Amino acid sequence: LAKTTQPISMDSYEGQEVNITCSHNNIATNDYITWYQQFPSQGPRFIIQGYKTKVTNEVASLFIPADRKSSTLSLPRVSLSDTAVYYCPTGGAGSYQLTFGKGTKLSVIP
Amino acid sequence: DAGITQSPRHKVTETGTPVTLRCHQTENHRYMYWYRQDPGHGLRLIHYSYGVKDTDKGEVSDGYSVSRSKTEDFLLTLESATSSQTSVYFCAVRDRDTGELFFGEGSRLTVL
Repeated sequence: LAKTTQPISMDSYEGQEVNITCSHNNIATNDYITWYQQFPSQGPRFIIQGYKTKVTNEVASLFIPADRKSSTLSLPRVSLSDTAVYYCPTGGAGSYQLTFGKGTKLSVIP
Repeated sequence: DAGITQSPRHKVTETGTPVTLRCHQTENHRYMYWYRQDPGHGLRLIHYSYGVKDTDKGEVSDGYSVSRSKTEDFLLTLESATSSQTSVYFCAVRDRDTGELFFGEGSRLTVL
């Protein structure tokens, strides 16, 4: 299965923009890039998905360069409630197995 | 909410005993998954199913078996539980159109 690499942890102050980058090893041509968020004692939940260029929804933006070897999740003006673990699993709409890895633990500081 | 129910939510058992975790869904999703989550290891895929009686192994399938006799139920069985299987187990279903996974609330298993 393809692997992804992302920072283990990040800290940010409230109100700042946070960018979390994920590198995708051997992402398949037809795989979408997805990001999930997980709060303590809960299962992960979907945040955003894209194939290339930029995607924006009410929660975040996702930037994907032309070579699709990486992606950046951008969270605008984070609050304490954004403290969570963020995953960029391989696979997506083009794959039936998602490999999550360890994710990035984001801590938002008052 | 994708109508996913995991049971039991908490279980404490002893080494060597069999354990079955159940995942029940109400929205007729074809794909279902079992993951385990441990500190330092993130979320790891154990087994998944792509239809009734159709299952396949994930990254960490040793010591686990699964069964899917009905669309709505996906069972994870530990034939002889070991302490290394102490973990939080998450069930998930896959949306056919978007590929998005919806997760259950998790089942915390402690093997003494």
